[in-house]
Amino acid sequence: DAEITQSPRHKITETGRQVTLACHQTWNHNNMFWYRQDLGHGLRLIHYSYGVQDTNKGEVSDGYSVSRSNTEDLPLTLESAASSQTSVYFCASSGTSGSSNEQFFGPGTRLTVL
Amino acid sequence: GENVEQHPSTLSVQEGDSAVIKCTYSDSASNYFPWYKQELGKGPQLIIDIRSNVGEKKDQRIAVTLNKTAKHFSLHITETQPEDSAVYFCAASIEWAGNMLTFGGGTRLMVKP
Repeated sequence: DAEITQSPRHKITETGRQVTLACHQTWNHNNMFWYRQDLGHGLRLIHYSYGVQDTNKGEVSDGYSVSRSNTEDLPLTLESAASSQTSVYFCASSGTSGSSNEQFFGPGTRLTVL
Repeated sequence: GENVEQHPSTLSVQEGDSAVIKCTYSDSASNYFPWYKQELGKGPQLIIDIRSNVGEKKDQRIAVTLNKTAKHFSLHITETQPEDSAVYFCAASIEWAGNMLTFGGGTRLMVKP
């Protein structure tokens, strides 16, 4: 069955370190998204991609970057981790326009920055 | 940009009662409104959605209503069961324009047996 996976599921790091969160989907979806989830804020969009070599900034992109070298993967990098980036991160994917707009979410990565 | 407000933030009901969660949106161009359910330790999962050409949609015990004029939409769960306990998110987007969802803040629903 097609799925979307994230790794690691839990990560503890120190302020100033570079961290990369992995997202892999086997749906063959063109659209991929990264969100962060914080209490009281719901899910906020960090970055998104509509296809290989395409990346776009979302609502809360400062301090984050993504790259899309293939259809299946959209890794999220925190260049210099800050305590304000302690959060739960979700990756999602969806098909292109003309098909279902449902976004399929991964299980999440809980990141703690000390 | 779009702004989605969701109320209440927590909701406690007795098993068998109905639950209603309400959302308002700001961008009149939004035309796609999904609802997601998030169980503990998992990612959100789509449970129902509605498009702006429809006023109401039902799927067994859940229904969603949309009032485009007032820019608000609601989720109705009837005959609640303990397994309905979860966090529910509403969202809004402009379909065919990239499918970027703007989420509400979430509602924690607790169904007491």
